[in-house]
Amino acid sequence: GQNIDQPTEMTATEGAIVQINCTYQTSGFNGLFWYQQHAGEAPTFLSYNVLDGLEEKGRFSSFLSRSKGYSYLLLKELQMKDSASYLCAPYSYMDSSYKLIFGSGTRLLVRP
Amino acid sequence: GAGVSQSPRYKVAKRGQDVALRCDPISGHVSLFWYQQALGQGPEFLTYFQNEAQLDKSGLPSDRFFAERPEGSVSTLKIQRTQQEDSAVYLCASSLAGGGLYGYTFGSGTRLTVV
Repeated sequence: GQNIDQPTEMTATEGAIVQINCTYQTSGFNGLFWYQQHAGEAPTFLSYNVLDGLEEKGRFSSFLSRSKGYSYLLLKELQMKDSASYLCAPYSYMDSSYKLIFGSGTRLLVRP
Repeated sequence: GAGVSQSPRYKVAKRGQDVALRCDPISGHVSLFWYQQALGQGPEFLTYFQNEAQLDKSGLPSDRFFAERPEGSVSTLKIQRTQQEDSAVYLCASSLAGGGLYGYTFGSGTRLTVV
């Protein structure tokens, strides 16, 4: 089976940096997605990590360690609009099919 | 089309009624997932298609749930004899290929309320 663990809620201040951690256990691991989801809206793509290491994309960076089953999403220079849920999703290939399984999400509240 | 389109946007069904939810993926997209999302939770996997082939339906909660993608483009999720626990947002996501490198684009979802 698959197991994904990320904090339920986090609070941070506008302009600060926040790191959202995710640990996972899965078979047939291909890579890991991070999605952002504002309340009442569809998830939107943030990043996809295949190799170990840090990938930076503007204010958002994502890190992956395949051997440790660990990833984090780093958000810099927080803005109020970053208040949303952040979903960690390992992507796997097993039993002749792809699987994209989401964690429960981390609800981030950015305060002024 | 420019994005993934889902219809209807909202659906209210009486308990016991059958419903059909439609997903129009981005043109040419091969991979397609369906998810069920309860309030405050992450999307729960339902089923996966590669073109017209349903490769994984292990997430469908019961035999009341059925999905199809007969021509490898539009997909329909059908729920028979709806029950209150079926109330959720149903999301569809598609990708150009299965490898993950192109990412998955989600539709806006169908909010199903069973009364």
